Amino acid sequence: AQKITQTQPGMFVQEKEAVTLDCTYDTSDPSYGLFWYKQPSSGEMIFLIYQGSYDQQNATEGRYSLNFQKARKSANLVISASQLGDSAMYFCAMRERMGKFYFGSGTKLNVKP
Amino acid sequence: GAGVSQTPSNKVTEKGKYVELRCDPISGHTALYWYRQSLGQGPEFLIYFQGTGAADDSGLPNDRFFAVRPEGSVSTLKIQRTERGDSAVYLCASSRTGGAEANVLTFGAGSRLTVL
Repeated sequence: AQKITQTQPGMFVQEKEAVTLDCTYDTSDPSYGLFWYKQPSSGEMIFLIYQGSYDQQNATEGRYSLNFQKARKSANLVISASQLGDSAMYFCAMRERMGKFYFGSGTKLNVKP
Repeated sequence: GAGVSQTPSNKVTEKGKYVELRCDPISGHTALYWYRQSLGQGPEFLIYFQGTGAADDSGLPNDRFFAVRPEGSVSTLKIQRTERGDSAVYLCASSRTGGAEANVLTFGAGSRLTVL
């Protein structure tokens, strides 16, 4: 089974609007971390946000928030007030305990002016 | 250094040749990861080092792939008898070990390998 599933290959959003990028994960480990990374066309992966499996509150970092629904095994990324510079590939990732990171197939976000 | 440095940034080789890709992690980062990313795909795990030892090499696709990190800093990914299917961007990432910082991977810009 896929560890990380991103079902939206591409998304469009109007500048200044909010957008949600979907991510579901699969693990039987009670201790895990969930992550989102951004990859602009330049290629370098940029860390955005982290959520621990035991964290009670949803993580937020500036305009990014992670909508963590543990029972549904989902970890959607919400970007508020989209900017043109947000156009990029976005990858959801999971880490079980202190092991390797598993990445999804990504969602290409296009922000329209 | 200030960031994760990968060399070469671009490598074109012929089928059957040997290649080495180098990764210089952030100073003080004891964990180092190699990933492979094909066009339009997410990063695929290859190997993960803690210090000098490979903590998990389960992602290496076959015995043509090998990686070392002899002094716990710079790592080299070695590919023997390259095949056209090895063409991809090879990403290196590093992190601290322990605490919240262990969860933050810093990636290099990648080495793009093209096998003709």
